[in-house]
Amino acid sequence: DIVMTQSPDSLAVSLGERATINCKSSHSVLYSSNNKNNLAWYQQKPGQAPKLLIYWASTRESGVPDRFSGSGSGTDFTLTISSLQTEDVAVYYCQQHYDTPRTFGQGTKVEIK
Amino acid sequence: EVQLLESGGVLVQSGGSLRLSCAASGFTFKNYVMSWVRQTPGKGLEWVSAINAGGDGTDYADSVKGRFTISRDNSNNTLFLQMNSLRAEDTALYYCAKDLIVPPGILQHWGRGTLVTVSS
Repeated sequence: DIVMTQSPDSLAVSLGERATINCKSSHSVLYSSNNKNNLAWYQQKPGQAPKLLIYWASTRESGVPDRFSGSGSGTDFTLTISSLQTEDVAVYYCQQHYDTPRTFGQGTKVEIK
Repeated sequence: EVQLLESGGVLVQSGGSLRLSCAASGFTFKNYVMSWVRQTPGKGLEWVSAINAGGDGTDYADSVKGRFTISRDNSNNTLFLQMNSLRAEDTALYYCAKDLIVPPGILQHWGRGTLVTVSS
C-alpha cells in the first residue's frame, strides 16, 4: 500500500496569513501516461463530512476559493491557503488516487493563532 | 443537488452482521463509481470499498476483504455494504461517497455518515 504522511500534524496561523501543509507519498503517484499526479486534498470541518478541494495535485474542484492551491509532483506535495479565513479552520487530508487501496494522510489540523 | 443518505448503522456484537445502505439522488447514479470510506478517531480516514458503475467490478481494503461485500441497485439508486464477522476495529463512522467520473478514485461528494459500533 502507498503510505501518505502529512506534516505538520497541526498548525496555528494568523488570519490573513499563509498556511502550508505538506504531504509525502511512499511511492510516486505520477502517471507517466498523462503526466498527472494522482493526489487529492480534502477539507473536513468539525461535525461534517470531508469535502473535496483539489485533485490531480493542483486542479481545484468547482466552487473552491482560489486561496486554496495545490502543488508538487512525484512523492512530495503541498496544499497552500494563501490568506487564512475563519471558515478555513478544519482538518485537511491528502489522498492518493494512483492505486488501490486509496490511502489518506493522517490529517493536519489548521487553527487560528 | 447531489445527496447521499446513509443508514443502517447500529450497535452490534462482535461476530455479528450489518447491512448499510446509501440512498442517492441528484445525479445519474448508474453512471458513477461509488465508494465506502470509514473514519475513526484513532485511524483517521480509511477507504473501505468501491464498486464500478455497472456493479460488476468491486475492490476492497485488505482489512475487510472476505468479510464485507459492496453492491448496488441502479434501479433504486442505492448503494449497499454487507458487513459480516464484525470486529471491534470495524467501529467507525461509515461514509458513502460518489467518485468523480474522471479520474477515478476521487471522492467528489460524501454523505453525512452512519455510525457502526461493534462491542466486544
